Amino acid sequence: DVKVTQSSRYLVKRTGEKVFLECVQDMDHENMFWYRQDPGLGLRLIYFSYDVKMKEKGDIPEGYSVSREKKERFSLILESASTNQTSMYLCASSSLPNYGYTFGSGTRLTVV
Amino acid sequence: KNQVEQSPQSLIILEGKNCTLQCNYTVSPFSNLRWYKQDTGRGPVSLTIMTFSENTKSNGRYTATLDADTKQSSLHITASQLSDSASYICVVSADAGNMLTFGGGTRLMVKP
Repeated sequence: DVKVTQSSRYLVKRTGEKVFLECVQDMDHENMFWYRQDPGLGLRLIYFSYDVKMKEKGDIPEGYSVSREKKERFSLILESASTNQTSMYLCASSSLPNYGYTFGSGTRLTVV
Repeated sequence: KNQVEQSPQSLIILEGKNCTLQCNYTVSPFSNLRWYKQDTGRGPVSLTIMTFSENTKSNGRYTATLDADTKQSSLHITASQLSDSASYICVVSADAGNMLTFGGGTRLMVKP
């Protein structure tokens, strides 16, 4: 089975801190994604990547950046965390566009 | 605009009963439709995936149907168990680009 691992289940950070959320997949997938999930808003795409060193903005990229130096690892960076970035963050990967998405277990980030 | 609407938003049933969740979509051109189960505080886990030519697919007690003409899908849960309590998310892929459109989910609670 494809495994997508997010490094932390729960994180608490202070306003203004730089935050790194790490995601690793073990099936050599080209495509990786970061979503955030909020009550009443569902899942919203932040950034995605088709290949190493490539990145594309999703629907809500403001306040975030990403890094993909290796194929298996896709990092989400909050440059200066704010309270409105308190959310559940989900990483996903897929081998083919639009097919075979596997999600990680999620990281619940609280910014205080 | 691509949209996925799910109903009901929430549902409470007694253990052992059956239930059906609905998903209507306007995604075009259609590629595939997935049902995910998401336990509280965890990432979504895929239950079924259907392409245009498939109209029924089962995974244990879960049976998904797809009517591509009316752009509707349903997820039927048979003989519900307490562990079925979760959110169920319908996700539709377009046949272009790499974007998914997520439904808002149905929160199911199974009571003893």
